[in-house]
Amino acid sequence: SQQGEEDPQALSIQEGENATMNCSYKTSINNLQWYRQNSGRGLVHLILIRSNEREKHSGRLRVTLDTSKKSSSLLITASRAADTASYFCATGGGNKLTFGTGTQLKVEL
Amino acid sequence: GAGVSQSPSNKVTEKGKDVELRCDPISGHTALYWYRQRLGQGLEFLIYFQGNSAPDKSGLPSDRFSAERTGESVSTLTIQRTQQEDSAVYLCASSPRSLTGNEQFFGPGTRLTVL
Repeated sequence: SQQGEEDPQALSIQEGENATMNCSYKTSINNLQWYRQNSGRGLVHLILIRSNEREKHSGRLRVTLDTSKKSSSLLITASRAADTASYFCATGGGNKLTFGTGTQLKVEL
Repeated sequence: GAGVSQSPSNKVTEKGKDVELRCDPISGHTALYWYRQRLGQGLEFLIYFQGNSAPDKSGLPSDRFSAERTGESVSTLTIQRTQQEDSAVYLCASSPRSLTGNEQFFGPGTRLTVL
C-alpha cells in the first residue's frame, strides 16, 4: 500500500511560473524525502526534511512539513522546461522508503 | 565515481520464462534495494539487503521472485515463470548506511516486458 499520496496527480504550467505539489502520509515519520523521475527511469533525490524541521530550501526548491497534518509540500520556483518530470514523496520507516503515487509536472515553453 | 548500474536496460521475454536482472551498486554502499514500478504507478518495495544481515523480503509479491546479493556488491533479482503482470520497470537503489533517512541512489532501471 502507498504511504504517501501526492496531489495533484498531474500539473501543467508555463515556464517561469511556480509549481506546488503536496504529499499526505498516514503514519508517524522520522523524515520525508522528495525525488524526481524523468522518463520513467531512475529517481534522483532532491531534498530530505526531518520530522523536527518545518521548512527547508535547496536552490529553487522549498519543502515544508506539517507533522500535525501529516503533509508536506514541494514548491519549485521559476520553473523551467527541464523541470518536467514526475515527483514523488517518500517516507522512511525501518529499512525501506515508501513512495507515493507521484505528481506528473509538465512545464511548457 | 560511477553510479548504480543495472542490466539489461530492456528485457522482452515470453510468459513462463525465467529472467534475471542485475544491479551493481555504488562501491562502498552497504544497503541495496529493489523496487518495482508499473506504468504510471509509484514504486513498490520488493527487497532490501544490508551487509551480511538477513534480507528484508517482505515486499516480494510471490515465491516466483527471489534475489541474491554477494557481500556488499552485485545483486541479482530473479523472476521465475514470468507472467504478463510482471511487466514493469525494476529499479535498484543503494545507500551508504542502513538507516532510513539517507538518500537512495537509483539505477536507470530494467524495463521488463512479458509477452
